[in-house]
Amino acid sequence: DVKVTQSSRYLVKRTGEKVFLECVQDMDHENMFWYRQDPGLGLRLIYFSYDVKMKEKGDIPEGYSVSREKKERFSLILESASTNQTSMYLCASSPETGYNYGYTFGSGTRLTVV
Amino acid sequence: AQSVTQLDSQVPVFEEAPVELRCNYSSSVSVYLFWYVQYPNQGLQLLLKYLSGSTLVKGINGFEAEFNKSQTSFHLRKPSVHISDTAEYFCAVTPRGGSYIPTFGRGTSLIVHP
Repeated sequence: DVKVTQSSRYLVKRTGEKVFLECVQDMDHENMFWYRQDPGLGLRLIYFSYDVKMKEKGDIPEGYSVSREKKERFSLILESASTNQTSMYLCASSPETGYNYGYTFGSGTRLTVV
Repeated sequence: AQSVTQLDSQVPVFEEAPVELRCNYSSSVSVYLFWYVQYPNQGLQLLLKYLSGSTLVKGINGFEAEFNKSQTSFHLRKPSVHISDTAEYFCAVTPRGGSYIPTFGRGTSLIVHP
């Protein structure tokens, strides 16, 4: 089975901290994505990547950055966490022609910023 | 650009009753269509997808969906639900060509009562 693993299920961080959310996939997928999920707003795309060292902004990139140094790993970085970044964060991956497969999601990281 | 409207934010239903979760979309180009399910405290998993061909698509766990091009709809149905179907359901569309980045609806919470 394709697996997308997010390193933490729950995180609590303080305002102003630098936060790293890690995502690893084991199926050699080219595409990786970071979404945040908030009640009533559904999923919103933060950043995505088509290849190593490559990144593209999604719909809500402000306050976030990403890193993809290896094909299997895609990290989301909150440079200075704020309370409005409290949310569920979902990582996903897909092969190059992802439309045929849909997307494989990780179990999510619920981040609370206090 | 695409948009997805899930017409009901919450659908309560009794066990063994039929259910329909509604999804309408708008797009200036042809799209692929997907339904995902999210069980509590988990990531999303693919239920079914429509790429081409027969407009009636069958997915996992007894769900099916029908693509209606004229009404730009992709409603999800199940003839008899179980308690275990209680979850959040997301409709998504992906443009044919271009980036293949999906647009998600805001989700419908299916609540199955005994």
